[in-house]
Amino acid sequence: GDSVTQMEGPVTLSEEAFLTINCTYTATGYPSLFWYVQYPGEGLQLLLKATKADDKGSNKGFEATYRKETTSFHLEKGSVQVSDSAVYFCALSDRGSNDYKLSFGAGTTVTVRA
Amino acid sequence: EAGVTQFPSHSVIEKGQTVTLRCDPISGHDNLYWYRRVMGKEIKFLLHFVKESKQDESGMPNNRFLAERTGGTYSTLKVQPAELEDSGVYFCASSQILSSYEQYFGPGTRLTVT
Repeated sequence: GDSVTQMEGPVTLSEEAFLTINCTYTATGYPSLFWYVQYPGEGLQLLLKATKADDKGSNKGFEATYRKETTSFHLEKGSVQVSDSAVYFCALSDRGSNDYKLSFGAGTTVTVRA
Repeated sequence: EAGVTQFPSHSVIEKGQTVTLRCDPISGHDNLYWYRRVMGKEIKFLLHFVKESKQDESGMPNNRFLAERTGGTYSTLKVQPAELEDSGVYFCASSQILSSYEQYFGPGTRLTVT
């Protein structure tokens, strides 16, 4: 079945540091890939997505590139802020299925210190 | 436009009791999903409605869980009787038919079974 493995946390960084969260996946079909973010006290929000190989998703300074050859979708941000403190989830949706359900990783808690 | 709402935000019940969680999707979204995150682990799919019909309920853990979506609007998830391992955060998400890969999540219901 489909599965997602992401870097375990927690991750603690200083402001303006570089952030990378690794994510690899296993899928039987040709998935779409996502990063969701959950800020403290809030629900999950879609951060970025990529639907085919070599696509780069980007939003709020975050980027991730769909690498089919390495089955990866690593999240990066060049200079984090305190407001980026959140839990980040990598996820996939198998477009070959007819329900588009999401398979998630375990989440990575990121804390950015001023 | 109102987002996905869930009620209650937090529920504490004793083992053996019954709890009903409610989800109101974004108006016009035919797809409704339930997910669960247990003990800080990955978020797992429970089931998927298309309008009032269950499209996929392969993630429902056992027959103590009953989901309904009468009239294709809001949905309820009943746990009866609740067990300790049911504790976790229950998320609801909705999406439109034509862009089903992009799901919008509610804030979640934190269920604690003591």
